[in-house]
Amino acid sequence: SQQGEEDPQALSIQEGENATMNCSYKTSINNLQWYRQNSGRGLVHLILIRSNEREKHSGRLRVTLDTSKKSSSLLITASRAADTASYFCATDEAAGNKLTFGGGTRVLVKP
Amino acid sequence: DGGITQSPKYLFRKEGQNVTLSCEQNLNHDAMYWYRQDPGQGLRLIYYSQIVNDFQKGDIAEGYSVSREKKESFPLTVTSAQKNPTAFYLCASSIPPTAQPQHFGDGTRLSIL
Repeated sequence: SQQGEEDPQALSIQEGENATMNCSYKTSINNLQWYRQNSGRGLVHLILIRSNEREKHSGRLRVTLDTSKKSSSLLITASRAADTASYFCATDEAAGNKLTFGGGTRVLVKP
Repeated sequence: DGGITQSPKYLFRKEGQNVTLSCEQNLNHDAMYWYRQDPGQGLRLIYYSQIVNDFQKGDIAEGYSVSREKKESFPLTVTSAQKNPTAFYLCASSIPPTAQPQHFGDGTRLSIL
């Protein structure tokens, strides 16, 4: 079963624009993580936000978490062609001991 | 450099054949995981192990088997009972508990001959 669902499924933007993607989940969580996957490669961890945090920044990345709405967003500012990838959210459920990944958002940044 | 090595990168399976995917890590992580990824989809957990000589089924364990005899190694066998094995298989490791970020290998793409 998939805990996290990303929206939109695909996103196409021009270089320099911002990209925003959302993740919704169903059960209580300990933390939520975002990962990036380049085509044909493994996932790379981007950022982890704990359930008691509301916002976190890492370079051009900004993540928010709203536990009352069971949702998170990932914002990539001033996008670059190298940001072209799929982005996945993953939740660490409070009652479990494993990560559950969403279906991902495919981002295309056009030069 | 520390990391996770998956081999082979591409693998072909004949009807009725078992195949084994290799996953080795030198990150000194106790926990290791196997995921399956179908085209355009997210990751689904097959098996995970939090310590040597112990492992648990994930969400889609049927048709797969694993072993964890060494901390560094977590091989996955795709058995002939797995009727739809064509997928991209990803191995990951982390420091337990699962709250910690996972480090991934670059995957093995398995296809049917």
